[in-house]
Order: sequence, then structure tokens, then C-alpha cells
Amino acid sequence: GESVGLHLPTLSVQEGDNSIINCAYSNSASDYFIWYKQESGKGPQFIIDIRSNMDKRQGQRVTVLLNKTVKHLSLQIAATQPGDSAVYFCAERVFGNEKLTFGTGTRLTIIP
Amino acid sequence: NAGVTQTPKFQVLKTGQSMTLQCAQDMNHNSMYWYRQDPGMGLRLIYYSASEGTTDKGEVPNGYNVSRLNKREFSLRLESAAPSQTSVYFCASTLDRGDNEQFFGPGTRLTVL
Repeated sequence: GESVGLHLPTLSVQEGDNSIINCAYSNSASDYFIWYKQESGKGPQFIIDIRSNMDKRQGQRVTVLLNKTVKHLSLQIAATQPGDSAVYFCAERVFGNEKLTFGTGTRLTIIP
Repeated sequence: NAGVTQTPKFQVLKTGQSMTLQCAQDMNHNSMYWYRQDPGMGLRLIYYSASEGTTDKGEVPNGYNVSRLNKREFSLRLESAAPSQTSVYFCASTLDRGDNEQFFGPGTRLTVL
């Protein structure tokens, strides 16, 4: 079946540096790609989404890039802060389908 | 607003026991979802309710039942718990079906012995 996966399970970044979290997807029919953040002991929290007809979308301190040619998605976090420490999940959805398909997650650790 | 609340936070069951996980949201959302999260895996959809009065199976529905009691509440029932159902369960809601921004509860950690 189709799956969403991540290149790296863990990522350590110096505080103040930029973080880049990558995700590979395999369902070329997906219309939306979404990033969620999950802090320890909490439920996931929506960060940003992007439609398949876009290449880039920016939010507050975050940028999502979509490369449909190689089926790759990335989340860039600018000026990483201690509060950014969490597990980050990418997810995908087909238009008209309720279901989000989640990847396995990347743990981001901030080094003081 | 409390957002999405779940009870209980923790639960230990013996194989064969039954229990109901409760979920409520106070955001007037139409759609609600139940996920499970296992170590090293992403969230997997168990059941969802696109609107009050409707429920549909997700990716891993076997061994579970749900009830959309009203617009606010969506419960998940394990009729005969099995060790394979040991997991963290999350409830989520969205304003409307198809919204990408799902609001998640804090989760219920369930252990089945």
C-alpha cells in the first residue's frame, strides 16, 4: 500500500540554527501534505499544510517545500528554539478522503 | 475552551476485558476521529465520524466499535481487549470533513496484559 516515510528518525540541531526535516511520500495521487508537531506526552499539533499544486508555503518561522518530481517534502524551521524539540510527522491526504496517512516521525532535539 | 478532552489518561486491562474511551470537544466541530499510535509508527486511523450520526471505518478498525453520541462526544469501545491493542489512543476533531488541521486530545495510554 501507499506509505509516507521519513529519511531520518532523529535530528539534532544547535539552538539558533535552522532545522530541515525531510519526508518521502509514495502516493502520487495525494493532494495535500501536512506537517504535525508532537511534544512529549501530548497530542499532535498542526503546523502547516501545502497543496500539491504548490512548491512552497511559508508560515511563522516555518517553510514547507514540495518537490513532486522526486516525491519529497521538507519542513524548514528558522532559528530553532528549545520549544521546537518534538517529534515531527508528515502526513498526506487525497482530496475528498477523510483519512490522513501519517509517516513514522522524526525526533528533533535542540542542543543549547 | 478546553479543546479536545479524553478520559481516562491511563488504563490497564486484562485480556478479554472491555472498556470505553471517552472523547469530547467544545469547538463545535463536525468531524471527529480516533487514532492509535504505536512505538516507532505514525498515527493510524481507527474510525471517524464525518458528522453527527455517521461513522466510518478507518485503516485499523478490527476489534473496535465507536459511537457518535452527539456532536460533542465520540467514544471508542474495546469489547474484548487483546495485547495487540496496547497503544496510545488519540481523539481528534476538525471543523469540517476534509480539513487538514485536526485538533488532538492529550491521549489515553492503554496497556492490555
